[in-house]
Amino acid sequence: QVQLQESGPGLVKPSQTLSLTCTVSGDSISSPDYFWTWIRHHPGKGLEWVGYIYYSGTTYYNPSIKSRVTISLDTSKTQFSLKMTSVTAADTAVYYCARGGYDSGCDFWGQGTLVTVSS
Amino acid sequence: QSVLTQPPSASGTPGQRVTISCSGGTSNIGSNYVFWYHHVPGAAPKLLIYKNNRRPSGVPDRFSGSKSGTSASLAISGLRSEDEADYYCASWDDSLGGWFFGGGTKLTVL
Repeated sequence: QVQLQESGPGLVKPSQTLSLTCTVSGDSISSPDYFWTWIRHHPGKGLEWVGYIYYSGTTYYNPSIKSRVTISLDTSKTQFSLKMTSVTAADTAVYYCARGGYDSGCDFWGQGTLVTVSS
Repeated sequence: QSVLTQPPSASGTPGQRVTISCSGGTSNIGSNYVFWYHHVPGAAPKLLIYKNNRRPSGVPDRFSGSKSGTSASLAISGLRSEDEADYYCASWDDSLGGWFFGGGTKLTVL
C-alpha cells in the first residue's frame, strides 16, 4: 500500500519561505508511471493544484504561483519537497502531497498539513 | 474564477440520484481526461472517478462519471448521508500547462 506523509513547519512568517517534505513508502518515486504532486486547500475555499515533478526531475507548476514555487526529488530518501518563497497570508492552507498519473489521477494522498502564514 | 465551472451546491434526500456538472473548454475537458474527487475538509481528498468514467477499486458503483464535449458530470445514485462532502472535478489544461480543479460543489443530504 502506498503511503505519503507531509512534514514541515506549521507556521511561517510573511515574506519567508515555506518548506515542506513528503515521504513516500510502498512505491518508488523513480517510477516512470507516476508524478508526485502538491495540492493545497485554502480554508473555506476549493482545492488548488500547486505543481508536480516526474521521476526525471521535470516539473510543472500552477501558472499563478510558478515564480515562487520549486518542487524537487530526493530519490535516495524517497522524498519530494516543496519550497514556496515570499509567502503571504493568502498561502495559508492545508498542503497535501499525492501520487498522480495522467491516466490514473491522484490516487494516493497524504493526510495533509496545515501551514499558517502569520507574524 | 476557476478554469472548470461547477455549481457551488447540490442537495438531495436519501435514496435520490444527484448529478453534479463540470463545464470547461476545448483545452481542458475537451481534450483531456476528467477526474472526480470527494473531499471532507480536514481529511485527504479521495479519487472517485478517473479517465472520465472509471472507478478505482473500492468506490461503489453508485458513483458514475460521464463526459461529453467540453462538459462532464458526476452522478451519485442511492444517496446516503455519508455522501455529504465537497466534490471536485479536475482536468489538465493544454493552454495553461497545468492541472486545474473546479471550484467544488458542496453536496448536502437533506
